[in-house]
Amino acid sequence: QQQVKQSPQSLIVQKGGISIINCAYENTAFDYFPWYQQFPGKGPALLIAIRPDVSEKKEGRFTISFNKSAKQFSLHIMDSQPGDSATYFCAASTPAAGNKLTFGGGTRVLVKP
Amino acid sequence: GAGVSQSPRYKVAKRGQDVALRCDPISGHVSLFWYQQALGQGPEFLTYFQNEAQLDKSGLPSDRFFAERPEGSVSTLKIQRTQQEDSAVYLCASSLAGGGLGETQYFGPGTRLLVL
Repeated sequence: QQQVKQSPQSLIVQKGGISIINCAYENTAFDYFPWYQQFPGKGPALLIAIRPDVSEKKEGRFTISFNKSAKQFSLHIMDSQPGDSATYFCAASTPAAGNKLTFGGGTRVLVKP
Repeated sequence: GAGVSQSPRYKVAKRGQDVALRCDPISGHVSLFWYQQALGQGPEFLTYFQNEAQLDKSGLPSDRFFAERPEGSVSTLKIQRTQQEDSAVYLCASSLAGGGLGETQYFGPGTRLLVL
């Protein structure tokens, strides 16, 4: 059972454009929602994270929007740059499960110059 | 400062061989996680340690997989009698404490295992 569904699988955006990645979860016990960025040959690195008590969190060009009632959250990358080309994973966890991360399937983002 | 390190970075094994993958977490980190990442997929949880105690091994796919962290720092993931379906990247992550609300997990670069 895939508990975190991510879309799209891939997207292409022009430099300066906005990249939007969506995730939906099923387990209402999840209470921590991080986004990870992964470059080829590297491990995932935390980009930004949110808890369900807030609806939006912004850090630089990256914004998470969170809709608790819909059990959905999304990542917006503003002013996309070629260096943002990577695979992005949403994830979710709960202390009840030892904080192990349940990941979405990933979105490969390509930013064209 | 040093991050999470893993060795070897690449491992080629013949089907039926045993392999051992090592993870050195960030110094002082209590929690350690192993994940398996198939090509083009998101990482999937394998097992979790808090210090030397293995608190969750629900993600280990079979009894051929075994993990340990005897002194609460370095961890080893062992796969016995490797099969082709074991081919994947094995990621290790550590976090500072354990049991509290979501903490940042810091990932190593992974070990890419190819079973021929």
